[in-house]
Amino acid sequence: EVQLLESGGGLVQPGGSLRLSCAASEFTFSNHAMSWVRQAPGKGLEWVSATTGSGGSTYYADSVKGRFTISRDNSKNTLYLQMNSLRAEDTAVYYCAKYDSSSYYYSTLENWGQGTLVTVSS
Amino acid sequence: DIQMTQSPSSLSASVGDRVTITCQASQHINNYLTWFQQKPGKAPQLLIYDASNLKTGVPSRFSGSGSGTDFTFTISSLQPEDIATYYCQQYNNLPPTFGPGTKVDIK
Repeated sequence: EVQLLESGGGLVQPGGSLRLSCAASEFTFSNHAMSWVRQAPGKGLEWVSATTGSGGSTYYADSVKGRFTISRDNSKNTLYLQMNSLRAEDTAVYYCAKYDSSSYYYSTLENWGQGTLVTVSS
Repeated sequence: DIQMTQSPSSLSASVGDRVTITCQASQHINNYLTWFQQKPGKAPQLLIYDASNLKTGVPSRFSGSGSGTDFTFTISSLQPEDIATYYCQQYNNLPPTFGPGTKVDIK
């Protein structure tokens, strides 16, 4: 069974930084594009970023472009999200999700982790 | 970005009822649409992909249809364990975008 385990969330001040990790297991990590999706408290789902299976291509939502960086280490089966210049509106549960192919084009988010909460507040 | 709308925003139905949720895209998205179920306090789970394909292991009471801009999600016989919020999501264009969700309760 696919396992996706996020970590790294917590309380951070506005303007601060945080790095999220997602440890993947029970599938061939490098064969799948990966994504981060977030959900503000009591709100809907917002796609944040994605990377291809090789890590060679990435895409970002306009709301985080220039502040967040997605990366992956296929030797460690781990996905990352480096979040800089954090704002109150970045407060959310951040989910790691696996695409059904090595590309994020025309691909489905078929498995999700349990999420990690990021709170941006002074 | 493609805007996704859903209706209704919430509904209450009895066990055994047929439940239908609609999703509309602001642009043509072919059949690149998924439906997710999110139970309270849990991560979303994929139910249907490519508008009408049921993910392996998902009960057959769930179904989806549509293409282009208009899509429908149906629970043929509502069960107590179906209490959740349901989201549609398009993946024809980047960025992928979600509908606002439909909260389903038991009457």
